[in-house]
Amino acid sequence: AQSVTQLDSQVPVFEEAPVELRCNYSSSVSVYLFWYVQYPNQGLQLLLKYLSGSTLVESINGFEAEFNKSQTSFHLRKPSVHISDTAEYFCAVSFLGRSGGSYIPTFGRGTSLIVHP
Amino acid sequence: DTGVSQDPRHKITKRGQNVTFRCDPISEHNRLYWYRQTLGQGPEFLTYFQNEAQLEKSRLLSDRFSAERPKGSFSTLEIQRTEQGDSAMYLCASSLGGTGSGGDTQYFGPGTRLTVL
Repeated sequence: AQSVTQLDSQVPVFEEAPVELRCNYSSSVSVYLFWYVQYPNQGLQLLLKYLSGSTLVESINGFEAEFNKSQTSFHLRKPSVHISDTAEYFCAVSFLGRSGGSYIPTFGRGTSLIVHP
Repeated sequence: DTGVSQDPRHKITKRGQNVTFRCDPISEHNRLYWYRQTLGQGPEFLTYFQNEAQLEKSRLLSDRFSAERPKGSFSTLEIQRTEQGDSAMYLCASSLGGTGSGGDTQYFGPGTRLTVL
């Protein structure tokens, strides 16, 4: 079965420090890659995604993620975090389903980013 | 665009009872997904509709679970003979995607929290 691994369940950092949230997936065939974020008391929302082209994708609030096909990774980074970045971050990968006609999203278990002042 | 809505937001039921949840997607979205999320885990894919057609079901989905999207708009998820292990957050998401594509951005509803006593 296809899988998405987020090894870190919790990442505590101080404000203005850099952070990396790791995501690895099981398949090397063509996939679509996403990071979703869930702020406290809110629903899941898209942060950024990789479909094709440049392997580095950026969000509007300073996060970036790099698609590494050989490592089957899609790690999320930010050079300087803010208190407001405190949230749960989910990596998701769309794999081709059993029918072969549809892509099925598979989510990692999530990483809780806790930013301390 | 009023977002994805789910009803009810909370449901408490006794073991063995049937429950039904409703999801209203963003109006122009042709895809609708159902997920289950338990504490400390990411959303787990249950099933997916393209318009009114149910194209994929998780192999983990018990026969007690059934979903419909009769006119390609709202969807219902029914769980028959509920068990304590069914206690979870049930999430609905919608998106706009072409046939065979997997890079669509999903918009999530607030979820229905089910507690089975």
